[in-house]
Amino acid sequence: DTQMTQSPSSVSASVGDRVTITCRASQDISRWLVWYQQKPGKAPKLLIHAASSLQSGVPSRFSGSGSGTDFTLTINSLQPEDFATYYCQQANSFPVTFGPGTKVDIK
Amino acid sequence: QVQLQESGPGLVKPSETLSLTCTVSGGSVSSGTYYWSWIRQPPGKGLEWIGDIYYSGRTNYNPSLKSRVTTSVDMSRNQFSLKLSSVTAADTAVYYCATHPASRVNFYFDYWGQGTLVTVSS
Repeated sequence: DTQMTQSPSSVSASVGDRVTITCRASQDISRWLVWYQQKPGKAPKLLIHAASSLQSGVPSRFSGSGSGTDFTLTINSLQPEDFATYYCQQANSFPVTFGPGTKVDIK
Repeated sequence: QVQLQESGPGLVKPSETLSLTCTVSGGSVSSGTYYWSWIRQPPGKGLEWIGDIYYSGRTNYNPSLKSRVTTSVDMSRNQFSLKLSSVTAADTAVYYCATHPASRVNFYFDYWGQGTLVTVSS
């Protein structure tokens, strides 16, 4: 199985800040990395797939990069609605595996 | 746009079988476009992929759960289902149904149900 790690596990930020979350895979997954946003009591929402492809309707302040084993989600100019938990997921092979999540909360 | 809705008992006794159904609207389970998936999330914890099924009956399961999981598709009702046997308290979680494109790689979950909490307790 491909193990996924994320850092940091939590980050405190203010509206307008830039936030960067890192995801690392235990083996090469090419560009097959997905990012989700989850708010309390809600299902995860797809943000980015194939490491950098923004899902339709997702604001352009979200961006993803990386390949191989190291990936990054960047949120530029954090908005109030962006406070949530973010998960990465490898989409290269079965079983599908998720990172443990990064909680972005208000400083 | 595909919409998904989970249904099933919210309380299951230990050692019994958890059964959930996902009703699909805005799309067809008989379409070859998607795999139909189950994902769970224990309270306060992260996401765990359970498995998925294609309209043809082809399945993929998480090895950690494979011995206890069965999935099926009901084309006449446009539904797909999950059965998880011999449950314990560790199976208490919010269970989501979701879809991902039927591709060899890049299987991202683009549509999700709202989730249903299943508690395992006597």
